[in-house]
Amino acid sequence: EDKVVQSPLSLVVHEGDTVTLNCSYEVTNFRSLLWYKQEKKAPTFLFMLTSSGIEKKSGRLSSILDKKELFSILNITATQTGDSAIYLCAVEAGNTDKLIFGTGTRLQVFP
Amino acid sequence: GAVVSQHPSWVICKSGTSVKIECRSLDFQATTMFWYRQFPKQSLMLMATSNEGSKATYEQGVEKDKFLINHASLTLSTLTVTSAHPEDSSFYICSAIDRSQTYNEQFFGPGTRLTVL
Repeated sequence: EDKVVQSPLSLVVHEGDTVTLNCSYEVTNFRSLLWYKQEKKAPTFLFMLTSSGIEKKSGRLSSILDKKELFSILNITATQTGDSAIYLCAVEAGNTDKLIFGTGTRLQVFP
Repeated sequence: GAVVSQHPSWVICKSGTSVKIECRSLDFQATTMFWYRQFPKQSLMLMATSNEGSKATYEQGVEKDKFLINHASLTLSTLTVTSAHPEDSSFYICSAIDRSQTYNEQFFGPGTRLTVL
């Protein structure tokens, strides 16, 4: 059975801290891994990763994929209170367009 | 990016009634849409894949007679929760694929919060 697991489940930090969120997966016919940020409503897209070792970067956020060890990390540097959200990892696998979502990491950033 | 809307954004109903939720792709055609359910502090769980002009494909454990899906046009899919019960209270999110893009990206709607009393 395809599985996506995120850790930690919850993280509480102070503004300015750097955080690393983890996502590991076991799926058949991996195609891509996606990161989303969810605040109060629907998830918003952050990154899509398909190749190992190539870092994707957007401002203070960056992500990288390791297809050999079957995991990805999402880094957020100099965190701000606006980064508080649930971060979701999803994997696209097989011959369908379905996304398999991980458990999510709830990040809380305090001033 | 492409926009997906949902209606209503929230609904409260009595136990035993049926509730219809609409998902629309506003500026693109979507042959494939997905319906997810999210319980508090949990992740998104895929319920079904909605295919325009054909029957929906349900995930294991999702009752097709309880969650009726209709995808009658290229811009609209509906989810009807029949004979709703309090345990059906949840956040329902749809997504739609824009196949005109290089990558078949899923665009998510804003979600519908259902509360069954």
